[in-house]
Amino acid sequence: NAGVTQTPKFRVLKTGQSMTLLCAQDMNHEYMYWYRQDPGMGLRLIHYSVGEGTTAKGEVPDGYNVSRLKKQNFLLGLESAAPSQTSVYFCASSLLRGPTTEAFFGQGTRLTVV
Amino acid sequence: AQSVTQLGSHVSVSEGALVLLRCNYSSSVPPYLFWYVQYPNQGLQLLLKYTSAATLVKGINGFEAEFKKSETSFHLTKPSAHMSDAAEYFCAVTISSGGYQKVTFGTGTKLQVIP
Repeated sequence: NAGVTQTPKFRVLKTGQSMTLLCAQDMNHEYMYWYRQDPGMGLRLIHYSVGEGTTAKGEVPDGYNVSRLKKQNFLLGLESAAPSQTSVYFCASSLLRGPTTEAFFGQGTRLTVV
Repeated sequence: AQSVTQLGSHVSVSEGALVLLRCNYSSSVPPYLFWYVQYPNQGLQLLLKYTSAATLVKGINGFEAEFKKSETSFHLTKPSAHMSDAAEYFCAVTISSGGYQKVTFGTGTKLQVIP
């Protein structure tokens, strides 16, 4: 089973460029999340989705947009990349079962904005 | 509001020694607590979780954690460290909020195992 798959794994952008990160899960999970991981700051939630066609802001949403047109996919977009968005991005998914449900993570996308 | 504090961003232990990674939480409602492990260049994977069924929770790879409500702690332990335990460990607290599960991660502790 693939679980949660993120593409691409690495990317270098110039300031002002745009890109989309793709997350795909094959576990039929309702919830999907995008996090960024920065040294000494743990994981911070960017946006999340509680089902197909829904999105909501997390704690650090500025500069990002998301879409969930299909249940299995959750896209993260950067319209105009900034150096402050250099980070490792993780997608995760979980079942719609409440707070005891674990999240399953992808392997991450390392993004560098120069 | 909920929060998680992991004491020590880096911990070094000798191979065969006790591993102790500290996690303290703050939550206004009963919390659900998790430990995740992240190996180099990989995503996070679940190590163990506390769901109120038992205060001592056993996880994978010989790790366990004890929930202590009076100390608001959920420390992770392993009796004997192995080289393969070298990784970053994250404590997380989850509560139900507005119809979805709000997860807050700690800042992580990198475990180094010295041969």
